Amino acid sequence: KAGVTQTPRYLIKTRGQQVTLSCSPISGHRSVSWYQQTPGQGLQFLFEYFSETQRNKGNFPGRFSGRQFSNSRSEMNVSTLELGDSALYLCASSVDREQETQYFGPGTRLLVL
Amino acid sequence: QKEVEQNSGPLSVPEGAIASLNCTYSDRGSQSFFWYRQYSGKSPELIMSIYSNGDKEDGRFTAQLNKASQYVSLLIRDSQPSDSATYLCAVHSGTYKYIFGTGTRLKVLA
Repeated sequence: KAGVTQTPRYLIKTRGQQVTLSCSPISGHRSVSWYQQTPGQGLQFLFEYFSETQRNKGNFPGRFSGRQFSNSRSEMNVSTLELGDSALYLCASSVDREQETQYFGPGTRLLVL
Repeated sequence: QKEVEQNSGPLSVPEGAIASLNCTYSDRGSQSFFWYRQYSGKSPELIMSIYSNGDKEDGRFTAQLNKASQYVSLLIRDSQPSDSATYLCAVHSGTYKYIFGTGTRLKVLA
Protein backbone atom coordinates (compact mmCIF):
# COMPACT_ATOMS: atom_id res chain seq x y z
CA LYS A 1 0.00 0.00 0.00
CA ALA A 2 1.41 3.38 -0.95
CA GLY A 3 2.26 5.74 1.89
CA VAL A 4 1.29 9.34 2.43
CA THR A 5 2.51 11.56 -0.38
CA GLN A 6 3.13 15.27 -0.28
CA THR A 7 3.83 17.72 -3.05
CA PRO A 8 5.88 19.67 -3.65
CA ARG A 9 8.81 18.42 -1.59
CA TYR A 10 10.67 21.72 -1.62
CA LEU A 11 9.48 25.25 -2.14
CA ILE A 12 11.08 28.68 -2.07
CA LYS A 13 8.85 31.72 -1.79
CA THR A 14 9.27 35.36 -0.90
CA ARG A 15 7.56 37.31 1.85
CA GLY A 16 4.00 38.29 1.02
CA GLN A 17 3.40 35.46 -1.42
CA GLN A 18 1.01 32.62 -0.80
CA VAL A 19 1.59 28.90 -1.07
CA THR A 20 -0.53 25.76 -1.43
CA LEU A 21 0.70 22.38 -0.27
CA SER A 22 -0.91 19.09 -1.16
CA CYS A 23 -1.26 15.80 0.70
CA SER A 24 -2.60 12.46 -0.48
CA PRO A 25 -3.33 10.09 2.43
CA ILE A 26 -2.88 6.36 2.53
CA SER A 27 -5.67 4.64 0.62
CA GLY A 28 -8.63 4.13 2.95
CA HIS A 29 -7.51 6.77 5.43
CA ARG A 30 -10.10 9.47 5.98
CA SER A 31 -8.37 11.67 8.52
CA VAL A 32 -5.62 14.07 7.51
CA SER A 33 -3.68 16.25 9.90
CA TRP A 34 -1.15 18.96 9.17
CA TYR A 35 1.83 19.96 11.27
CA GLN A 36 4.52 22.59 11.15
CA GLN A 37 7.95 21.57 12.34
CA THR A 38 10.68 24.06 13.15
CA PRO A 39 13.91 23.55 15.12
CA GLY A 40 12.80 25.88 17.86
CA GLN A 41 9.16 24.86 18.29
CA GLY A 42 9.13 21.20 17.40
CA LEU A 43 6.05 19.66 15.83
CA GLN A 44 3.08 22.02 16.03
CA PHE A 45 -0.45 20.90 15.17
CA LEU A 46 -2.12 23.02 12.49
CA PHE A 47 -5.47 21.34 11.79
CA GLU A 48 -7.17 18.05 11.16
CA TYR A 49 -9.75 17.12 8.55
CA PHE A 50 -12.12 14.18 8.48
CA SER A 51 -14.69 13.61 5.75
CA GLU A 52 -14.10 17.08 4.31
CA THR A 53 -14.74 18.76 7.69
CA GLN A 54 -12.20 20.49 9.87
CA ARG A 55 -12.46 18.75 13.24
CA ASN A 56 -9.76 20.56 15.12
CA LYS A 57 -7.46 23.50 14.74
CA GLY A 58 -4.22 24.47 16.41
CA ASN A 59 -3.10 27.91 17.52
CA PHE A 60 -2.07 29.38 14.20
CA PRO A 61 -3.20 32.64 12.60
CA GLY A 62 -5.93 32.74 10.01
CA ARG A 63 -3.31 32.96 7.26
CA PHE A 64 -3.10 29.20 7.58
CA SER A 65 -6.05 27.38 6.11
CA GLY A 66 -6.84 24.01 4.70
CA ARG A 67 -9.43 21.87 3.07
CA GLN A 68 -10.15 18.26 2.30
CA PHE A 69 -11.68 16.83 -0.83
CA SER A 70 -14.13 13.97 -1.21
CA ASN A 71 -11.28 11.58 -2.05
CA SER A 72 -9.63 12.52 1.29
CA ARG A 73 -6.81 14.43 -0.39
CA SER A 74 -6.04 17.61 1.47
CA GLU A 75 -4.47 20.96 0.77
CA MET A 76 -3.19 23.62 3.08
CA ASN A 77 -2.70 27.23 2.12
CA VAL A 78 -0.57 29.90 3.71
CA SER A 79 -1.24 33.45 2.62
CA THR A 80 0.94 36.51 3.06
CA LEU A 81 4.01 34.49 3.85
CA GLU A 82 6.34 35.63 6.60
CA LEU A 83 9.96 34.68 7.20
CA GLY A 84 8.88 32.72 10.27
CA ASP A 85 6.77 30.43 8.12
CA SER A 86 9.93 28.72 6.91
CA ALA A 87 9.53 25.18 8.16
CA LEU A 88 8.92 21.56 7.32
CA TYR A 89 5.21 21.01 6.79
CA LEU A 90 4.11 17.49 7.52
CA CYS A 91 0.91 15.76 6.66
CA ALA A 92 -0.25 12.65 8.52
CA SER A 93 -3.16 10.35 7.84
CA SER A 94 -5.12 7.84 9.89
CA VAL A 95 -8.10 5.61 9.27
CA ASP A 96 -10.56 7.26 11.62
CA ARG A 97 -11.04 8.19 15.25
CA GLU A 98 -10.98 4.65 16.59
CA GLN A 99 -7.87 3.69 14.66
CA GLU A 100 -6.06 6.91 15.13
CA THR A 101 -2.47 5.87 14.59
CA GLN A 102 -1.00 8.49 12.32
CA TYR A 103 1.40 7.90 9.47
CA PHE A 104 3.44 10.78 8.17
CA GLY A 105 4.30 11.85 4.67
CA PRO A 106 7.80 12.97 3.69
CA GLY A 107 6.96 16.63 4.22
CA THR A 108 7.26 19.82 2.24
CA ARG A 109 10.20 22.02 3.14
CA LEU A 110 9.24 25.66 2.70
CA LEU A 111 11.79 28.44 2.67
CA VAL A 112 10.53 32.02 2.78
CA LEU A 113 13.02 34.66 1.71
CA GLN B 1 3.57 23.61 31.85
CA LYS B 2 3.98 22.00 28.46
CA GLU B 3 1.34 19.46 27.55
CA VAL B 4 3.89 16.80 26.60
CA GLU B 5 7.39 17.02 28.01
CA GLN B 6 10.53 15.25 26.99
CA ASN B 7 14.16 15.77 27.88
CA SER B 8 15.75 17.22 24.74
CA GLY B 9 19.02 15.36 25.28
CA PRO B 10 21.25 14.40 23.69
CA LEU B 11 21.10 11.07 25.44
CA SER B 12 24.31 9.19 24.69
CA VAL B 13 24.52 5.44 25.20
CA PRO B 14 27.17 2.94 24.09
CA GLU B 15 26.34 0.39 21.44
CA GLY B 16 24.61 -2.63 22.92
CA ALA B 17 23.28 -0.77 25.95
CA ILE B 18 19.67 -0.01 26.88
CA ALA B 19 18.43 3.45 25.99
CA SER B 20 15.61 4.79 28.16
CA LEU B 21 13.48 7.65 26.84
CA ASN B 22 10.88 9.33 28.99
CA CYS B 23 7.80 11.44 28.42
CA THR B 24 5.26 13.05 30.74
CA TYR B 25 1.91 14.51 29.77
CA SER B 26 -0.55 16.83 31.46
CA ASP B 27 -3.98 15.78 30.13
CA ARG B 28 -5.37 13.00 32.34
CA GLY B 29 -7.99 12.29 29.67
CA SER B 30 -5.32 11.18 27.21
CA GLN B 31 -6.08 7.76 25.83
CA SER B 32 -3.48 6.89 23.20
CA PHE B 33 0.26 7.24 23.25
CA PHE B 34 2.78 6.94 20.48
CA TRP B 35 6.51 6.91 19.94
CA TYR B 36 7.92 8.14 16.66
CA ARG B 37 11.51 8.10 15.46
CA GLN B 38 12.74 10.92 13.26
CA TYR B 39 16.05 10.89 11.46
CA SER B 40 17.57 14.22 10.55
CA GLY B 41 15.86 15.67 7.49
CA LYS B 42 13.23 12.95 7.42
CA SER B 43 9.62 12.70 8.59
CA PRO B 44 8.57 10.92 11.80
CA GLU B 45 8.19 7.16 11.59
CA LEU B 46 5.91 5.27 13.97
CA ILE B 47 7.68 2.86 16.31
CA MET B 48 5.11 1.94 18.93
CA SER B 49 1.63 2.72 20.12
CA ILE B 50 0.33 1.93 23.60
CA TYR B 51 -3.15 2.36 25.03
CA SER B 52 -3.29 0.62 28.42
CA ASN B 53 -1.13 0.61 31.53
CA GLY B 54 1.83 -1.69 31.53
CA ASP B 55 4.46 -2.77 29.04
CA LYS B 56 4.21 -3.45 25.34
CA GLU B 57 7.11 -5.10 23.57
CA ASP B 58 7.98 -5.13 19.88
CA GLY B 59 11.37 -6.54 19.03
CA ARG B 60 14.04 -4.44 20.71
CA PHE B 61 11.52 -1.79 21.70
CA THR B 62 9.38 -1.72 24.85
CA ALA B 63 6.86 1.00 25.59
CA GLN B 64 5.72 1.50 29.18
CA LEU B 65 2.64 3.43 30.23
CA ASN B 66 1.60 4.58 33.69
CA LYS B 67 -1.56 6.66 33.47
CA ALA B 68 -1.68 7.36 37.20
CA SER B 69 1.73 9.02 36.98
CA GLN B 70 1.01 10.43 33.51
CA TYR B 71 4.21 8.92 32.28
CA VAL B 72 5.17 6.97 29.17
CA SER B 73 8.60 5.64 28.31
CA LEU B 74 10.41 3.83 25.54
CA LEU B 75 13.20 1.35 26.14
CA ILE B 76 15.52 0.35 23.33
CA ARG B 77 17.50 -2.78 24.06
CA ASP B 78 20.79 -3.63 22.37
CA SER B 79 21.04 -0.08 21.02
CA GLN B 80 22.64 0.25 17.59
CA PRO B 81 24.24 3.28 15.91
CA SER B 82 21.32 3.17 13.45
CA ASP B 83 19.02 3.96 16.39
CA SER B 84 20.61 7.42 16.61
CA ALA B 85 17.72 9.78 15.90
CA THR B 86 15.23 12.05 17.62
CA TYR B 87 12.42 10.23 19.39
CA LEU B 88 9.08 11.99 19.59
CA CYS B 89 6.42 11.19 22.14
CA ALA B 90 2.85 11.89 21.01
CA VAL B 91 -0.35 11.90 23.01
CA HIS B 92 -3.89 11.70 21.66
CA SER B 93 -6.57 13.04 23.96
CA GLY B 94 -9.62 11.90 22.09
CA THR B 95 -10.50 15.36 20.84
CA TYR B 96 -9.01 14.65 17.43
CA LYS B 97 -5.83 16.39 18.47
CA TYR B 98 -2.36 15.01 18.82
CA ILE B 99 0.18 16.73 21.01
CA PHE B 100 3.85 16.05 20.39
CA GLY B 101 6.77 16.52 22.68
CA THR B 102 9.80 18.35 21.35
CA GLY B 103 11.73 15.09 21.15
CA THR B 104 14.76 13.50 22.72
CA ARG B 105 17.89 13.22 20.62
CA LEU B 106 19.52 9.82 21.06
CA LYS B 107 23.13 9.14 20.17
CA VAL B 108 24.35 5.55 20.14
CA LEU B 109 28.13 5.47 20.29
CA ALA B 110 29.91 2.71 18.36
